Amino acid sequence: KAGVTQTPRYLIKTRGQQVTLSCSPISGHRSVSWYQQTPGQGLQFLFEYFSETQRNKGNFPGRFSGRQFSNSRSEMNVSTLELGDSALYLCASAQRGRGASYEQYFGPGTRLTVT
Amino acid sequence: DQQVKQNSPSLSVQEGRISILNCDYTNSMFDYFLWYKKYPAEGPTFLISISSIKDKNEDGRFTVFLNKSAKHLSLHIVPSQPGDSAVYFCAASAGNQGGKLIFGQGTELSVKP
Repeated sequence: KAGVTQTPRYLIKTRGQQVTLSCSPISGHRSVSWYQQTPGQGLQFLFEYFSETQRNKGNFPGRFSGRQFSNSRSEMNVSTLELGDSALYLCASAQRGRGASYEQYFGPGTRLTVT
Repeated sequence: DQQVKQNSPSLSVQEGRISILNCDYTNSMFDYFLWYKKYPAEGPTFLISISSIKDKNEDGRFTVFLNKSAKHLSLHIVPSQPGDSAVYFCAASAGNQGGKLIFGQGTELSVKP
């Protein structure tokens, strides 16, 4: 099975711009979660989508949003970028649902640099 | 409020010996725990997990122990190999928020030949 894929892998944006990151989960996985990793804050949960619905949300401002499509692919959008948004953004997929395991499998991440 | 803590930022072990990585948590609602291994600029790789109904789970060289009364878990790697050198994260989730993992700050393991 192919793993979780994320595009693009690297991105440089300017303050005030917006950005969209994409994630394709492992085939058969219906849950997609997004995380932000920074040196100061570590790995922090952004949100989770399951069957096109947001199920959980972390403590991030409304500039961070996401969505999930019927094929389970997910996108994450950050509007009005700030310098502090520079981070590695990680997507993880999981089977979820009755009887499924809780393990999440991560993609390689998108390295976003805001200048 | 850091709900999952890894108090040792780094650990150095000789090849062939046991590596023990520790993790403490504060939220009694956590019922599933996972360990991940991470290299720089890559996504975390899932290693092993444990449900709160168990106190031990083994997978090859990796064993995770859970002490619910102490709110403590540990990952044992035996024998340690140089390829195990990486940052290890423990993570926890609560049943009703299974898709939301709370991570510790990580422990950098160095296995010396």
